[in-house]
This record gives sequence, C-alpha cells and structure tokens, in this order.
Amino acid sequence: AQSVAQPEDQVNVAEGNPLTVKCTYSVSGNPYLFWYVQYPNRGLQFLLKYITGDNLVKGSYGFEAEFNKSQTSFHLKKPSALVSDSALYFCAVRDINTNAGKSTFGDGTTLTVKP
Amino acid sequence: EAEVAQSPRYKITEKSQAVAFWCDPISGHATLYWYRQILGQGPELLVQFQDESVVDDSQLPKDRFSAERLKGVDSTLKIQPAELGDSAMYLCASSPQGPSTDTQYFGPGTRLTVL
Repeated sequence: AQSVAQPEDQVNVAEGNPLTVKCTYSVSGNPYLFWYVQYPNRGLQFLLKYITGDNLVKGSYGFEAEFNKSQTSFHLKKPSALVSDSALYFCAVRDINTNAGKSTFGDGTTLTVKP
Repeated sequence: EAEVAQSPRYKITEKSQAVAFWCDPISGHATLYWYRQILGQGPELLVQFQDESVVDDSQLPKDRFSAERLKGVDSTLKIQPAELGDSAMYLCASSPQGPSTDTQYFGPGTRLTVL
C-alpha cells in the first residue's frame, strides 16, 4: 500500500525567509509525486509534480521540490516566502504501476508566513 | 481558464435525510474523481470514473453512498441516509485521460454539515 507522511502540522516562517514543507512517501515501485495548495473554503490547486528526470522540479508561484529517492522524500521549498503563500499544503503520491493512478494524500501542512 | 464546477457550495441537512452533490468536470476530461476531506485530513478518494465507468470505488460506503456519471460528462454523488460522520468537504476533480502522470484539477468543493 502507498502512503504519504507530512511530519509537520504547522510551519511558521518570516516573510523573505526560505521555507521548507516536508513530505516522505512509501510506494512499492517508482512514485509519481505531487504538491497541491489549498486556500480556505477552496479546492486544491496544483503546484508541481515529479514524474521522471531531473530531481529538482520547479512549479507555480516560485515553488520547487526536490525528489530524493534514497530518503523517499519530496520536500517543497521556496527561497523567499511571501505572506500570500500562507495556506494549507498537501503532498500526494501515485503508484507508477497502476493505470488507475489512485492518489494518496498526506494530511497537510499549514504554512503561515508572518510579515 | 476552464474550471471544475460543483454545486451546491454549502449544504446543511439533518441526519437520515438524503443529499446530492453535482460536479461538472473540465470539458474533454475523461477521468473524474470524488474525494471526501475531513477537517484536518487530506482528501480521501471515494470513487474514480473513466468516462462513464467506475474504475475504483473501494473506499465508497456503498450502503449509503452512490455515484453516477451516466453520459461520461457530469456526475452526481448521493448520500442516503446522511449520518453525523458524513460532515466533510466533498471535492470533485478531473484529469484529461487518467494515467498516473495526469495532474488533477479540483473544483471548489461542497461543504456538508449533518445535524
């Protein structure tokens, strides 16, 4: 069975500082990995995904994530945080071996960026 | 930019009543997903359609939940009878084809409160 862990319920950073939101995963084969962001009372918005190739993936709004196979991690990063980045962030994994592509989501990390 | 539409946005009902949610995916998207998101948790897949066919409903409580996508376009999720534990956000998502690499596009969700 596949699973995702987001070990931090809450991440607080000051505006202008770098941010990291952590994600680790478990799948039987090779993973497809995704990050989504959710604003209050809204659906999830896609940020970026890792399918294959370069381990550093760049996405929307200046976010990037690094795939680390040995550590089974896919941490979300941004060099300089903005107050508007404050939101709920979800990591998701899909099993490469199934065509149905069922996604498993983590429980989310609330990012708060303070002015 | 095309979006996934959901209605209603909010629904309050009493337990034992029937409720129904509607989703209209992005035009041309073959795959449609219904998720349930309990407060403080990540989305959990309830049912996945490929065109009009169900490809995964392993987590759908079939004694009270039903879902259909009769013409392979829009979809309805029904709960009858509703229970207190069904209070959650119900998210609909769609993707172009459905292989594991596809990004899912989420609607704004329906927040259900069962009293």
